Amino acid sequence: AQSVTQPDIHITVSEGASLELRCNYSYGATPYLFWYVQSPGQGLQLLLKYFSGDTLVQGIKGFEAEFKRSQSSFNLRKPSVHWSDAAEYFCAVVPLEGQNFVFGPGTRLSVLP
Amino acid sequence: NAGVMQNPRHLVRRRGQEARLRCSPMKGHSHVYWYRQLPEEGLKFMVYLQKENIIDESGMPKERFSAEFPKEGPSILRIQQVVRGDSAAYFCASSPRRQGGRYTEAFFGQGTRLTVV
Repeated sequence: AQSVTQPDIHITVSEGASLELRCNYSYGATPYLFWYVQSPGQGLQLLLKYFSGDTLVQGIKGFEAEFKRSQSSFNLRKPSVHWSDAAEYFCAVVPLEGQNFVFGPGTRLSVLP
Repeated sequence: NAGVMQNPRHLVRRRGQEARLRCSPMKGHSHVYWYRQLPEEGLKFMVYLQKENIIDESGMPKERFSAEFPKEGPSILRIQQVVRGDSAAYFCASSPRRQGGRYTEAFFGQGTRLTVV
């Protein structure tokens, strides 16, 4: 079945540590790929997106993501986490044949001081 | 350029009442999506509209829910005879005209948090 999965429901890291949030998709053709962040009580903000080309994508707030076709993955990374990064992170896709954004279940990030 | 505007931000309704959620897309955007986020869950697609047309309502419950995007004015998500299970955050997103057949970005509003008591 076509889907977007985020295997980690909740991740806790210490401030200053590195971060990797996982995202896998299951679609026949490579979809457009996105990462959004949602702070508590807020809407969603786009961090970065991948359509084609260079598989390493730079986003806002120091985030980057790497597309790996062989693994059907689009993992989000940040070398040094700040306390303000604590939020919910959603991976999303727009399938080749689709018209809508399909979201993963989200990963909640907690940051320890 | 104002972002996607949703109102109200918070809405409390008693069981059996009607809830009307409004969404004004970004200027120049003619595509609107509605998503529902239940507590501790991700966003679930409900409906996709263009001006005066419902393009995809595959995520809408068959009863009590309806959506419109008139030629003038905001998009409206209407929930009739609300029940406690309708309590959720409802997000609207807008997108510009498609390029090459797919959407390249969606801009989200702050959401309307509906509480049914």
